[in-house]
Amino acid sequence: DTAVSQTPKYLVTQMGNDKSIKCEQNLGHDTMYWYKQDSKKFLKIMFSYNNKELIINETVPNRFSPKSPDKAHLNLHINSLELGDSAVYFCASSPPGSGGNTHTQYFGPGTRLTVL
Amino acid sequence: GEDVEQSLFLSVREGDSSVINCTYTDSSSTYLYWYKQEPGAGLQLLTYIFSNMDMKQDQRLTVLLNKKDKHLSLRIADTQTGDSAIYFCAERMGYGGATNKLIFGTGTLLAVQP
Repeated sequence: DTAVSQTPKYLVTQMGNDKSIKCEQNLGHDTMYWYKQDSKKFLKIMFSYNNKELIINETVPNRFSPKSPDKAHLNLHINSLELGDSAVYFCASSPPGSGGNTHTQYFGPGTRLTVL
Repeated sequence: GEDVEQSLFLSVREGDSSVINCTYTDSSSTYLYWYKQEPGAGLQLLTYIFSNMDMKQDQRLTVLLNKKDKHLSLRIADTQTGDSAIYFCAERMGYGGATNKLIFGTGTLLAVQP
């Protein structure tokens, strides 16, 4: 069973388009995240949500809008795509709490976005 | 700052030990992690260490933490070709719960020669 899944795995689109990436976790976690990995493999957090509420927003352009319909899903919508948005986007989730293994983040397989 | 630094590349022969190093910046980090990323794949958590520990061993993996120098290392014993991947260290920052975020290192590409 897939713990954290993302769709699509690959996304190729033209500049200026609007696209969405979906993420679902079946781990019963309360917290979900979006990370961006650029062409140099550098990984940086974009957002975190806890139980459908936005917690972290790392100065990401407002063309990026996360949406959490329920705590098992965190989708990422991107408006007016730009060349610089090309990257691999990873979704992650973690259980509630702060001790033991509850802090661990589990990552999805990634979505490779290519903007032409 | 939030810079977590790693050397970019490490090449070892199969059967040798690999040591991947990482320096981090936030002395208040409570947890530090090692993730593995195989080509075209997501991030797999390998191990983590709590900041009040100096060492943690998990089968072929040994994590050493020098909190004074803010230095973390991952030793892989008897390295196999299947260990070839990019290894990321990460420190946890935040105030607990969903405020926590991972600050990732720049990644080390480990190439294992047969």
